[in-house]
Amino acid sequence: AQKITQTQPGMFVQEKEAVTLDCTYDTSDPSYGLFWYKQPSSGEMIFLIYQGSYDQQNATEGRYSLNFQKARKSANLVISASQLGDSAMYFCAMREGLRITSGTYKYIFGTGTRLKVLA
Amino acid sequence: DTGVSQNPRHKITKRGQNVTFRCDPISEHNRLYWYRQTLGQGPEFLTYFQNEAQLEKSRLLSDRFSAERPKGSFSTLEIQRTEQGDSAMYLCASSLGLGRDNTDTQYFGPGTRLTVL
Repeated sequence: AQKITQTQPGMFVQEKEAVTLDCTYDTSDPSYGLFWYKQPSSGEMIFLIYQGSYDQQNATEGRYSLNFQKARKSANLVISASQLGDSAMYFCAMREGLRITSGTYKYIFGTGTRLKVLA
Repeated sequence: DTGVSQNPRHKITKRGQNVTFRCDPISEHNRLYWYRQTLGQGPEFLTYFQNEAQLEKSRLLSDRFSAERPKGSFSTLEIQRTEQGDSAMYLCASSLGLGRDNTDTQYFGPGTRLTVL
């Protein structure tokens, strides 16, 4: 079963506007972490923002914020004031069992959303 | 530069040849991961090291694949008898564990793009 679902293969946004990239996840583990990465055409995965399953508040990091709705199992990324340099692939990822010291350490990634910022 | 580095950045090889990739993690990170990413997909986990111990391997890691981290610092990923289906981006990541930031965030290198002809 798909554990991370990104339903938007591609998105367009006008420069300086805000955009929301969707991510839903599936897990039965009460302790997990959700991550967003940006992958420009150069290929490197750049860490953007993190949300822990026990965090009470939505994570924010500069122009990035995470709209975390635990009951709905969604962790949408909001980019405010889009810039041309934001054009890239964006991946949502999850690590289960975040608070244990053994077990799986792998991230499970979604298929990504390609964002294009228009001038 | 204190980020994760990978060499080579690009590798073109003929089917049947062996290839080896190297990853140098962030210096204080004791956890190291290998992922494979094919076109249009997110990265898929291959294997994980804590220091020099290989603690987790994916079923994607067939017998032709082997990874090492002999001194708990850099790691190598070797693919023997390459096949065209091995063509992909191979990404390395490292993390500190549940340390200062309590997130175990993985930081990725630039990747090695493998093309098997």
